[in-house]
Amino acid sequence: AQKITQTQPGMFVQEKEAVTLDCTYDTSDPSYGLFWYKQPSSGEMIFLIYQGSYDQQNATEGRYSLNFQKARKSANLVISASQLGDSAMYFCAMSSHTGNQFYFGTGTSLTVIP
Amino acid sequence: NAGVMQNPRHLVRRRGQEARLRCSPMKGHSHVYWYRQLPEEGLKFMVYLQKENIIDESGMPKERFSAEFPKEGPSILRIQQVVRGDSAAYFCASSPRGLAGGNEQFFGPGTRLTVL
Repeated sequence: AQKITQTQPGMFVQEKEAVTLDCTYDTSDPSYGLFWYKQPSSGEMIFLIYQGSYDQQNATEGRYSLNFQKARKSANLVISASQLGDSAMYFCAMSSHTGNQFYFGTGTSLTVIP
Repeated sequence: NAGVMQNPRHLVRRRGQEARLRCSPMKGHSHVYWYRQLPEEGLKFMVYLQKENIIDESGMPKERFSAEFPKEGPSILRIQQVVRGDSAAYFCASSPRGLAGGNEQFFGPGTRLTVL
């Protein structure tokens, strides 16, 4: 069965510093996708970044990068140069091989300190 | 191009009543996913539909919950005889294709259901 684990319920980071949010996963699917979403206090889900299980290079999107270590089954999100607006819940997620199902972790609450 | 729309944004029901949550996908999207988010938790997959078909409902409770995505009109998530444990945020997402290969899904703003 697929499972996503986020072990950090809450994180603090100083403004302009970098922060890493941890995500590990478990799956027996031959291929899968890994995603990160941001959920601010307003509640909407905002897509940040995607990594395919066969992608050779780590994904990057602006200040977001995904540190993908397939052998360790980890897909950590790195946010560089944190901004106050980055304060939010962050969810790691995985799509199944068929794309029919989608699994979310329990989330990490990030607070950026001025 | 309007995003995914969900209504109502907030819904209050008494125990035993029915709740109907509506989701209008983005234009051109024929794939719809429903998720439930309990307080202080992540989103849990409920059901995946394409037009007129349920593709995967492995996350749906076996009783009281049903979903449809008719040929015309929005997708509907229906909860019969609601109980307090149904209080949650219900999110809908749509995609032009399935999610295999990393195709993105676009989320609606959610419907917050409160059962009194």
